Amino acid sequence: GQQVKQSSPSLTVQEGGISILNCDYENDMFDYFAWYKKYPDNSPTLLISVRSNVDKREDGRLTVFLNKSGKHFSLHITASQPEDTAVYLCAAVDSNYQLIWGSGTKLIIKP
Amino acid sequence: EAGVTQSPRYAVLQEGQAVSFWCDPISGHDTLYWYQQPRDQGPQLLVYFRDEAVIDNSQLPSDRFSAVRPKGTNSTLKIQSAKQGDTATYLCASSPPQGGSAETLYFGSGTRLTVL
Repeated sequence: GQQVKQSSPSLTVQEGGISILNCDYENDMFDYFAWYKKYPDNSPTLLISVRSNVDKREDGRLTVFLNKSGKHFSLHITASQPEDTAVYLCAAVDSNYQLIWGSGTKLIIKP
Repeated sequence: EAGVTQSPRYAVLQEGQAVSFWCDPISGHDTLYWYQQPRDQGPQLLVYFRDEAVIDNSQLPSDRFSAVRPKGTNSTLKIQSAKQGDTATYLCASSPPQGGSAETLYFGSGTRLTVL
C-alpha cells in the first residue's frame, strides 16, 4: 500500500488566503519530511523540510507542521499568490535513505 | 556548481521504438537515482546506483527497461520497446555520500517522454 498519501488531488484557494496541503504516512521510522513544488514540465524543487524531532518549521510564507503521533504533516502557505499555482509533492525519507513520495496535490490560486 | 544535467529534454516516439535518456550527476555525488513521474503524480523510483553498482532495481520493468552507470558517473536509462503507458517525465537525481535527507537530493530537469 501507499506509505505516503496525499488524499486531496486538487485544492483551489482565493488569492491572499492560506493554502493548506496535507500528507499522511504509515511508517514510524520515517525521520525526515519534505515538501516539493513541481511546475509543469519541470522537476521537483525542494521547498521546505523538517527532521522528526521538530514539529514546526517556518520559512517566509511557508510553514510545515509535523504531527508524529497522528503520522501527518502539512504545508501552510500564507498570502497565497497566483504564482503558487503548481503541483505540490510531499515526501518522507525511510531508513534506506530513499524518498517515498505522495501522489501530489494540484494547488490553484484564483486571482 | 553545475547541477544534474539530463538530455534530451523531450522525446516523442511511436510504440515499439527505443529511446535512451542520459544523466550527468553533480560531481562527487556517489548515488544516482532514476524516477518515472507520470503527469501530476509523484515520482516513482525505478533504479538507483551507488557508484557503478545497482543497489535497487526492483521497480524497473526488466523486460524493456535497462539502466547502466559503468564508471560511477554518468548514467543511461534505456527503454527497448516503448509503450503508451511509458509516457511520463523521467527524472534523474543525485546525492552526495551519506546524503540521506531531502535537502541533499538534487534533481535534473527531466526528460519528458510521449509515446504515441
